[in-house]
Amino acid sequence: QVKLLQSGAALVKPGASVKMSCKASGYTFTDYWVSWVKQSHGKSLEWIGEIYPNSGATNFNEKFKGKATLTVDKSTSTAYMELSRLTSEDSAIYYCTRSELGAWFAYWGQGTLVTVSS
Amino acid sequence: NIVLTQSPASLAVILGQKATISCTASESVNKFGINLMHWYQQKPGQLPKILIYNEFSRAPGIPARFSGDEAELNFTLTIEPVEADDVATYYCQQGLTFPLTFGSGTKLEIK
Repeated sequence: QVKLLQSGAALVKPGASVKMSCKASGYTFTDYWVSWVKQSHGKSLEWIGEIYPNSGATNFNEKFKGKATLTVDKSTSTAYMELSRLTSEDSAIYYCTRSELGAWFAYWGQGTLVTVSS
Repeated sequence: NIVLTQSPASLAVILGQKATISCTASESVNKFGINLMHWYQQKPGQLPKILIYNEFSRAPGIPARFSGDEAELNFTLTIEPVEADDVATYYCQQGLTFPLTFGSGTKLEIK
């Protein structure tokens, strides 16, 4: 069955960067776009961007350009997201998801909690 | 950006009754005759779970109590009859244009 396994929680200092992973299994990794979604505490969901593992093509929410970098490692079926110049506003749970036709999300990783604090 | 305005922000419904959640899009989300509007359920401390995709298609395993509808730019998620297990926050999401956007959420409680 389809699974997306994300890396564990991270506590990072303001101004630093964090890189999280999302390991896919149960399907052909290169056939589907992988999206990343942010959920701040008690708030709604924000789409950050997506990457197509086969080519590395990306689409971004303008709000997160310069903040988020998306990459993949096809050899391990793993997607990565790096967030840079972290502030308290970046403290949130970050989910990776598999995009289906029509850009909806059937499969979600368990989420990575990022806490930005000195 | 396509803005999705959800209402109400919270809703209390008697068990067995009907819950109706609205999501109004700021512009069309139609592609080739299909409205790319999707609905999710998120229970406290859990992941979002897809309920309805492409306006009215139920995701696998989702009971018929959940249904989606549309009138112009106004989309609705209906839950009837409401069960205790439906306590959650519900989000709409459009899949037509970047950035993909979500509604602000509707919190469903049992009265």
